[in-house]
Amino acid sequence: SQQGEEDPQALSIQEGENATMNCSYKTSINNLQWYRQNSGRGLVHLILIRSNEREKHSGRLRVTLDTSKKSSSLLITASRAADTASYFCATHLSGNTPLVFGKGTRLSVIA
Amino acid sequence: EAGVAQSPRYKIIEKRQSVAFWCNPISGHATLYWYQQILGQGPKLLIQFQNNGVVDDSQLPKDRFSAERLKGVDSTLKIQPAKLEDSAVYLCASSLMSGGNTEAFFGQGTRLTVV
Repeated sequence: SQQGEEDPQALSIQEGENATMNCSYKTSINNLQWYRQNSGRGLVHLILIRSNEREKHSGRLRVTLDTSKKSSSLLITASRAADTASYFCATHLSGNTPLVFGKGTRLSVIA
Repeated sequence: EAGVAQSPRYKIIEKRQSVAFWCNPISGHATLYWYQQILGQGPKLLIQFQNNGVVDDSQLPKDRFSAERLKGVDSTLKIQPAKLEDSAVYLCASSLMSGGNTEAFFGQGTRLTVV
């Protein structure tokens, strides 16, 4: 079963705008990760946030984690056409458990 | 460093035929995953290896799917016999360890079409 659920399923914005995607999960986690997938390609890791962290930044990416609400958000600032892709959250529970992915958000950035 | 290598990139087979996919993970990565991604959905875990041992294969349809990781390095995933609903992209990923705060590195995937 899938642990994470991204919201919205699809998002279309103009170049230069900010894009926010949300992820909700069901059980306690060790860490939460965000991945990007361009059409027809493999997934690329963007950022990892541990359960004891609340916010992380990487370039134009900002990720927040609220363990009390079991939710995370990914903010992409000043979006570019090249950011057009599907974005997935993935959770790592604990111990030797696998990485479990959500269904993803399809982001379209229009130039 | 070299990434995760998968082959073939594309495969078209008829239903009831057999097919095998190959994955070479990043050198030194103990954990290897196989995921199935149906169009428009997120990757679904099929099996996780830690070195050459199986950690989780609870979602692997064992009546038709099998996987092995000999010597804890390369891995093969086999489907026998294939069904139409097996049409998907099969992704291999590896990470330094599992359960820790490490990222997974993905291959380009094998796109399987069953006709």
